[in-house]
Amino acid sequence: NAGVTQTPKFRVLKTGQSMTLLCAQDMNHEYMYWYRQDPGMGLRLIHYSVGEGTTAKGEVPDGYNVSRLKKQNFLLGLESAAPSQTSVYFCASRPSGSRISADTQYFGPGTRLTVL
Amino acid sequence: DAKTTQPPSMDCAEGRAANLPCNHSTISGNEYVYWYRQIHSQGPQYIIHGLKNNETNEMASLIITEDRKSSTLILPHATLRDTAVYYCIVRVRETNTGNQFYFGTGTSLTVIP
Repeated sequence: NAGVTQTPKFRVLKTGQSMTLLCAQDMNHEYMYWYRQDPGMGLRLIHYSVGEGTTAKGEVPDGYNVSRLKKQNFLLGLESAAPSQTSVYFCASRPSGSRISADTQYFGPGTRLTVL
Repeated sequence: DAKTTQPPSMDCAEGRAANLPCNHSTISGNEYVYWYRQIHSQGPQYIIHGLKNNETNEMASLIITEDRKSSTLILPHATLRDTAVYYCIVRVRETNTGNQFYFGTGTSLTVIP
C-alpha cells in the first residue's frame, strides 16, 4: 500500500497561471480532503468529498476547484493562481463507517506551492 | 465543533514524560477528543482519541478529566523523534458525512537531548 500520494511535491507558478494538484489513495477510502497550511497556522480545509462524484466546500474554498471523478483520486485546481495561494497543500483520506478506524485521517506528504 | 486551547510551545527532556494539555470547556456530550501530530514538513499523523474514559495505545495515553473540559496527552518516554506540533481536536463522530477536523495551531513540542 502506497497510502496517500500527492503530485507534484513542489511547484512554482507565476500569478495568473493555472495548475492541478493530484491526490491518490489506494485504501479504498470514501472520504477525501484538501487542506492548506500556512506558516504559524494550523491546517485549514479547502474542499472535501464524501464519495465519487461529490464535493463540498470547506473553510477556505475561494480560488480553488475540485473534482472526484474516480474514488481513488481527488484533484485540486487553481484556475488563476495568486500569491496568497502560496502554501503547503495536504491531501487526506479516511474510510466511512462506524468503526473506530473511520475516525482516522491518513495524510499525504504535501505539495509545496509558491506563486510569484 | 467545540473550540480547543493549547499552549503554543513546550519543551521536554529526552526520556522523560511529555504531558501536553488541552482545554475544551465547551465540549458537548457526543464530542470526542482527538490528537494528531505533525512532524516538520510531513502530513499530520493520528495518535489517539477518546470520549470520556482514559485511553492508551502504543504511541501515547490520553487522560480526560471527569467533567471532560480538559485533557492531557502523555508521551511516556519522549524521544527526539517526538519533536512535532501536536493538535488537540474535538468533534462529533459523524460516520455518514465527510465532517472535517478543525486543526488549530497546536502545541509545538521540542524534545531536548
